[in-house]
Amino acid sequence: EDKVVQSPLSLVVHEGDTVTLNCSYEVTNFRSLLWYKQEKKAPTFLFMLTSSGIEKKSGRLSSILDKKELFSILNITATQTGDSAIYLCAVFNAGGTSYGKLTFGQGTILTVHP
Amino acid sequence: DGGITQSPKYLFRKEGQNVTLSCEQNLNHDAMYWYRQDPGQGLRLIYYSQIVNDFQKGDIAEGYSVSREKKESFPLTVTSAQKNPTAFYLCASSHRDRGHTEAFFGQGTRLTVV
Repeated sequence: EDKVVQSPLSLVVHEGDTVTLNCSYEVTNFRSLLWYKQEKKAPTFLFMLTSSGIEKKSGRLSSILDKKELFSILNITATQTGDSAIYLCAVFNAGGTSYGKLTFGQGTILTVHP
Repeated sequence: DGGITQSPKYLFRKEGQNVTLSCEQNLNHDAMYWYRQDPGQGLRLIYYSQIVNDFQKGDIAEGYSVSREKKESFPLTVTSAQKNPTAFYLCASSHRDRGHTEAFFGQGTRLTVV
């Protein structure tokens, strides 16, 4: 069974802090790992990672994948109150009977105080 | 404008009744997914479909049913067999290129059993 585990489950920080969110996975036929931000309803896409060691960056957010150790991290520097959200990690399975299955983790609830 | 439309946004159901949630996309995506989200948690996969007339059970399929008669549409029926149906339901779609693509989400349907 495909499994995606995120940690911590919740995190409270102050503006300006740097946070690291973790995502580990067990997937029989890994294809890609996705990060999403969910503020109210629909999750919005942040990053897609397919290769180990290549950092993806977008402003204050960055992410990297380690396919040997089966995990990814999402870093947010100089946090702002607008970063408060649920951050979701998901993994695509590209083989066998689970072909095309997109499995999400439990999410990390990030709260940034002014 | 291309996108995914879920309807209705809010739905109330009496215990023992079946109810169908609509999901329509005009992105020309082959793959579609249904997720359930409980308060403060991640997304759990109910069903997914890679092509018309074919779909697979996700991790929590019991008490739910789907159909995929058209590429654009992937309705979800919550049956009376689902013991705890009150939740937020999200539909997503993506290109069917074996995982090298993000998934796009609808705005969700909040189902409440009264």
